[in-house]
Amino acid sequence: GQNIDQPTEMTATEGAIVQINCTYQTSGFNGLFWYQQHAGEAPTFLSYNVLDGLEEKGRFSSFLSRSKGYSYLLLKELQMKDSASYLCAVSTSGTYKYIFGTGTRLKVLA
Amino acid sequence: NAGVTQTPKFRVLKTGQSMTLLCAQDMNHEYMYWYRQDPGMGLRLIHYSVGEGTTAKGEVPDGYNVSRLKKQNFLLGLESAAPSQTSVYFCASRPMGQAEGETQYFGPGTRLLVL
Repeated sequence: GQNIDQPTEMTATEGAIVQINCTYQTSGFNGLFWYQQHAGEAPTFLSYNVLDGLEEKGRFSSFLSRSKGYSYLLLKELQMKDSASYLCAVSTSGTYKYIFGTGTRLKVLA
Repeated sequence: NAGVTQTPKFRVLKTGQSMTLLCAQDMNHEYMYWYRQDPGMGLRLIHYSVGEGTTAKGEVPDGYNVSRLKKQNFLLGLESAAPSQTSVYFCASRPMGQAEGETQYFGPGTRLLVL
């Protein structure tokens, strides 16, 4: 079967660092995406990993280990506006489809 | 450049009524998708299209039909709405090819309530 697991909810303090984990089991792999989704809004693209290692984009970094079926999103210097849901999605090879995890709701406290 | 737009933004239906959700994109993207998002369930793929005139079933296609008569438009139809179809519906599009970092672009969503 195909499955993506993420924690349901996380809480962190403004200015801190938080790591959101994602594990996946899919039939084929063509890349892993992270999206941010604020309440009542559409998902927006944050990062993409297709090779093992760390991709850094400002305050956001994403890591991938294909052999372990594991990724994480690292958010540094947390701000109140980072309170949102973070969705992990896998693009499956040989198809044009994406499989999404259920999302992690992050609350940033002052 | 409006990106991906969805019509309507919000709709209330009675059980058994029909409706069509419209998705339009002005980015000349080949691939288009319809998802539904329910609390605790994440985004689930209903139907998708890899080009004008072609459609395929996703993870949860029952109760829905789609059409892609024009490249820029992807319609989602509910022939006989049921309360279980109460959800937020997102349309997305992406360009052809497997270029690195080729993400989907999402519309703003349609909130549907079926009574």
